[in-house]
Amino acid sequence: DIQMTQSPSTLSASVGDRVTITCRASQSISSWLAWYQQKPGKAPNLLIYKASNLESGVPSRFSGSGSGTEFTLTISSLQPDDFATYYCQQYNSYPLTFGGGTRVEIK
Amino acid sequence: EVHLVESGGGLVQPGGSLGLSCAASGFTFTTYWMTWVRQAPGKGLEWVTNINQDGREKYYVDSVKGRFTISRDNAKNSLYLQMNSLRAEDTAVYYCARARRRSSSQGFWFDPWGQGTLVTVSS
Repeated sequence: DIQMTQSPSTLSASVGDRVTITCRASQSISSWLAWYQQKPGKAPNLLIYKASNLESGVPSRFSGSGSGTEFTLTISSLQPDDFATYYCQQYNSYPLTFGGGTRVEIK
Repeated sequence: EVHLVESGGGLVQPGGSLGLSCAASGFTFTTYWMTWVRQAPGKGLEWVTNINQDGREKYYVDSVKGRFTISRDNAKNSLYLQMNSLRAEDTAVYYCARARRRSSSQGFWFDPWGQGTLVTVSS
């Protein structure tokens, strides 16, 4: 199974900050990676697929990069609505696996 | 608008069974793979199972193989998850989601997701 490791697990930041979350795969997954945002009590929401493709309707302050085993999700200027937990997911092979999540909290 | 609504969650004793349903609307259900993903209380996301458009191709995470069965009824635009021999560690919110990909050589990401239904396995 491909293990997905996110860092940090928790991130404290202020509105307007540039935020970067890292996701590492235990083996190469090419660019087969998605990112989701989840707010408390809500379902996850797709942000990015194929490592860097922004889903329609997602604000352009979100961006993704990387390939192989290392990926990043960047929020260029953190907004109040962005305080949430973020998950990466590999879809290179079964079983499809998620990272453990990164909680972005208010500093 | 694409909409997924899960139902069927509840409290069940260890070793018991429960069936979940997911009603889909706003898209051509018959053209998409579908999936179930779960989230234990306070924990991360875990993919559980996928099913193809005609229901003949299915994949499961090892921890549920032989106990859970995914199925679909395209005439009713509905997805199902039959869960047998339930264990405490199956306690989670279960989400159904539409599985998306650009080509048949790719795997799947998930969008959108339903609101989830809580399954609690406890005596």
